[in-house]
Amino acid sequence: AQSVAQPEDQVNVAEGNPLTVKCTYSVSGNPYLFWYVQYPNRGLQFLLKYITGDNLVKGSYGFEAEFNKSQTSFHLKKPSALVSDSALYFCAVRDGYGGSQGNLIFGKGTKLSVKP
Amino acid sequence: GAVVSQHPSWVICKSGTSVKIECRSLDFQATTMFWYRQFPKQSLMLMATSNEGSKATYEQGVEKDKFLINHASLTLSTLTVTSAHPEDSSFYICSAISDWDYEQYFGPGTRLTVT
Repeated sequence: AQSVAQPEDQVNVAEGNPLTVKCTYSVSGNPYLFWYVQYPNRGLQFLLKYITGDNLVKGSYGFEAEFNKSQTSFHLKKPSALVSDSALYFCAVRDGYGGSQGNLIFGKGTKLSVKP
Repeated sequence: GAVVSQHPSWVICKSGTSVKIECRSLDFQATTMFWYRQFPKQSLMLMATSNEGSKATYEQGVEKDKFLINHASLTLSTLTVTSAHPEDSSFYICSAISDWDYEQYFGPGTRLTVT
């Protein structure tokens, strides 16, 4: 069965410091991995995805994620955090591509808090 | 980019009444749409998969007679919460898979409060 784990409920970072939000996955076959961000009372906004190719994926707002097949991880990172990055972050995996196989399996989410 | 809208963005209704939530893909066609429910400080829970022109596929534990889904066109899916109760209060999010890039795009969500 496909699953995604986000081991941290909350991550606290000082503004200007690097941040990491962890994600590990379990899928059968090749993983399609995603990161989304959600601000209060808003829908999900796409940050980045890994389908194939370079293990380091760059996305929106300066975020990047590194796909590590041996550790089955896809951690989200940013070199210098901003207060405006404070939000709820979801890691997701999709096994298959397109059509009715396109549903995403979400992790439970990690709340990122960036303090000035 | 591809945009998905939801209407209304928030709604308050009385217990026992029904509420309809619309999900529209504004600049693309979507054969498949999904409906999620999100409780406070929790992840998204898939409720059902909506396919244009056919019946929705509900996840285990989701009452299909209570949460009616209609995907009447390639740009519109509706979720009707029938005989709503306070425990149905939640944040409902839809998403649509674009028929041209097969990516999933999310709506902004609808906050339902049942009093």
